[in-house]
Amino acid sequence: GAGVSQSPSNKVTEKGKDVELRCDPISGHTALYWYRQRLGQGLEFLIYFQGNSAPDKSGLPSDRFSAERTGESVSTLTIQRTQQEDSAVYLCASQSSLEDTEAFFGQGTRLTVV
Amino acid sequence: GIQVEQSPPDLILQEGANSTLRCNFSDSVNNLQWFHQNPWGQLINLFYIPSGTKQNGRLSATTVATERYSLLYISSSQTTDSGVYFCAVERWADKLIFGTGTRLQVFP
Repeated sequence: GAGVSQSPSNKVTEKGKDVELRCDPISGHTALYWYRQRLGQGLEFLIYFQGNSAPDKSGLPSDRFSAERTGESVSTLTIQRTQQEDSAVYLCASQSSLEDTEAFFGQGTRLTVV
Repeated sequence: GIQVEQSPPDLILQEGANSTLRCNFSDSVNNLQWFHQNPWGQLINLFYIPSGTKQNGRLSATTVATERYSLLYISSSQTTDSGVYFCAVERWADKLIFGTGTRLQVFP
């Protein structure tokens, strides 16, 4: 596609439920990032992929968070047993290689846990 | 890991004023980008500038890699420039790390 696409745009879920967030990167981009942004805060790194591998998962806040990427394309971020502190905007970015190029962001998924 | 600091944290301007935003980073990098996050939350690429100077309309940026800082200049500011400005850096084969941001408000 022309840009990075994320779905859904908004998600309201009940505490304790699982959610899946999807990211479609720019076609051909090998690097893919997930970030979390709480209201009024900066971008918190969660995980990145190079191809289908995740060299750095250090930003995942707990074992309730997991992510996968298939076909060097779509990625899903899964949050199990959601908590109210998981409420945030989840942003995805893709990059044509891991270095020396620009990263482009999707519009984000706004997650609200009630 | 690498630290990225931005200043000032907040900036209030009247339309037409000029401003300079700064990004300091703690180690050598091979990638530096400036982004504008608009009031709707979308991150918009402004500059990819690991070194040197670039200009795009009223905006320009300079990165002095050897001294580990980058500057973003906004001239003749407009209300549409309001939002948060982030710089992000990347070391070789590592992740993109964001600074804390500068929140800019431009009033008519």
